[in-house]
Amino acid sequence: DTGVSQDPRHKITKRGQNVTFRCDPISEHNRLYWYRQTLGQGPEFLTYFQNEAQLEKSRLLSDRFSAERPKGSFSTLEIQRTEQGDSAMYLCASSLTGGMSKTQYFGPGTRLLVL
Amino acid sequence: SQQGEEDPQALSIQEGENATMNCSYKTSINNLQWYRQNSGRGLVHLILIRSNEREKHSGRLRVTLDTSKKSSSLLITASRAADTASYFCATDDTGGFKTIFGAGTRLFVKA
Repeated sequence: DTGVSQDPRHKITKRGQNVTFRCDPISEHNRLYWYRQTLGQGPEFLTYFQNEAQLEKSRLLSDRFSAERPKGSFSTLEIQRTEQGDSAMYLCASSLTGGMSKTQYFGPGTRLLVL
Repeated sequence: SQQGEEDPQALSIQEGENATMNCSYKTSINNLQWYRQNSGRGLVHLILIRSNEREKHSGRLRVTLDTSKKSSSLLITASRAADTASYFCATDDTGGFKTIFGAGTRLFVKA
């Protein structure tokens, strides 16, 4: 078990460019979450997958944001036409279905800086 | 918006002292979790307490939950410098799949 991994760990881009982040969850986990975290704040929920189905999206997730989990394994989060306000840490987490427990295991995050 | 609100926002104590952090939330929940985040890194799950539980222990951690007051507390006993981190409560509301985190308590333990 190698834990949740995210790639890249850091990304610097210019305003208006598109960026894509990848998350590889723990292999047997069927739930996958994306969060955004800005300095001094807690993670803000963006979206949630159960297997390949995207079951919930936050209103924070504007039309410029899209997430996929095509085969129910890894997931990608794309931001189109990035804005300076998109600068944040993007966190991915995964968990197992089962009972009432929804402990999430987090990756190290991708830190995005939009210039 | 974030559901959980932690109190205090920041806490500075001496090594060996106990640290208590509080969390309040707004809606009905299935469970409440506490996570720790070291500076600039991912979150680590500490403990989960279900809505039908009132108290739970794990090592030096003690969590209480009062669903009538929609609040929880995390007690870290005999703190160590390595406990320096941000601590977040997170709730899963009964209506959906969303996990909502508070803004966190920043704990600094002085050696």
